[in-house]
Amino acid sequence: NAGVTQTPKFRVLKTGQSMTLLCAQDMNHEYMYWYRQDPGMGLRLIHYSVGEGTTAKGEVPDGYNVSRLKKQNFLLGLESAAPSQTSVYFCASNRDKSYGYTFGSGTRLTVV
Amino acid sequence: DQQVKQNSPSLSVQEGRISILNCDYTNSMFDYFLWYKKYPAEGPTFLISISSIKDKNEDGRFTVFLNKSAKHLSLHIVPSQPGDSAVYFCAAPLTTSGTYKYIFGTGTRLKVLA
Repeated sequence: NAGVTQTPKFRVLKTGQSMTLLCAQDMNHEYMYWYRQDPGMGLRLIHYSVGEGTTAKGEVPDGYNVSRLKKQNFLLGLESAAPSQTSVYFCASNRDKSYGYTFGSGTRLTVV
Repeated sequence: DQQVKQNSPSLSVQEGRISILNCDYTNSMFDYFLWYKKYPAEGPTFLISISSIKDKNEDGRFTVFLNKSAKHLSLHIVPSQPGDSAVYFCAAPLTTSGTYKYIFGTGTRLKVLA
């Protein structure tokens, strides 16, 4: 029972480099989300998806893109990384709006 | 505009005593609240929830109280144990344009002293 799996767990990028964070869930959840956690800021929603093939912007979407080509996967892309994107990124999913989230264990990203 | 606020960034409590974590919200449309617990290097995990039709929900050592008129909720942990040391987030769902996403507070770091 893997739940929500995020890869990689850690990454260091140079400014301007690109990368993709992968989130995979095996619970057949419709809804998936990407959050970032920064000190003193709590968890802020970047992008989310309400089903396969759909994506929508959250609270802090600038500098990120997402795709949900398969129901079980939700990818978060950084096209040109900036130091302000240094953060811990969490993916989450839920079955429908009545349920709380199941979170992944996070990806710690440092942009130098 | 922080719709869910946790004004205490940290709290220290002696083992066996009560821990009280507070959360305030501004949106009167919120009808459901959750508390999450987060250990270092792990994702948040669901702890307890409360619907706005209730003013109290209890699960073992954890009780959440909701005061709708004050737009305030609190999480009580009795008795506190060292394993409860973690960051606690309160969250409320925001429904816009038919979608449903959770707004989180900034978290309170609880340290239970042995």
